[in-house]
Amino acid sequence: AQSVTQLGSHVSVSEGALVLLRCNYSSSVPPYLFWYVQYPNQGLQLLLKYTSAATLVKGINGFEAEFKKSETSFHLTKPSAHMSDAAEYFCAVSDPAGTALIFGKGTTLSVSS
Amino acid sequence: DTAVSQTPKYLVTQMGNDKSIKCEQNLGHDTMYWYKQDSKKFLKIMFSYNNKELIINETVPNRFSPKSPDKAHLNLHINSLELGDSAVYFCASSTSGRNYNEQFFGPGTRLTVL
Repeated sequence: AQSVTQLGSHVSVSEGALVLLRCNYSSSVPPYLFWYVQYPNQGLQLLLKYTSAATLVKGINGFEAEFKKSETSFHLTKPSAHMSDAAEYFCAVSDPAGTALIFGKGTTLSVSS
Repeated sequence: DTAVSQTPKYLVTQMGNDKSIKCEQNLGHDTMYWYKQDSKKFLKIMFSYNNKELIINETVPNRFSPKSPDKAHLNLHINSLELGDSAVYFCASSTSGRNYNEQFFGPGTRLTVL
């Protein structure tokens, strides 16, 4: 069965610092992986997705993620954090039938000035 | 233009009542979903539905039922509301036939059962 584990429920960085949010997956088939962001009191917005093309995926707002099959990881990074990046981040994997997304438990990113 | 919309945004009701949440998408997608986000922000699929098939998460009580009058709408009906139903409910949509299943989410409906 597919599953996703996000390490660290809360990550705090200073403005301008590197952002690293960790995601490891478990999948019986080649996975399709996603990062979504949820700003307070809003729905989820897709940041980026991996669909078996390039292993380094660039998304919106300066975020990118690298698919590493050997490590079963899909960590999200951003070179320089902005205050506006403070939000909840979810890693997700598509189930084999493509009928649903299976989400990790989320990581809250806090950015301080 | 809102891609996926939900109404109401907030819903406060008493235990035992029956309520509905509406969802509409204008993306031309043929598959729609309902997710529940609990107080710990954990998101879990409740239903996925297209004009061919309804897939129900087996853990969802039968008090919850999706109803789709057409491809652009998937409403969620909840009977005999319980305290544990308090959560944020998200509607989403996508195009079927794509394994990578990129989904677009609505803004959510915060349900509070008193």
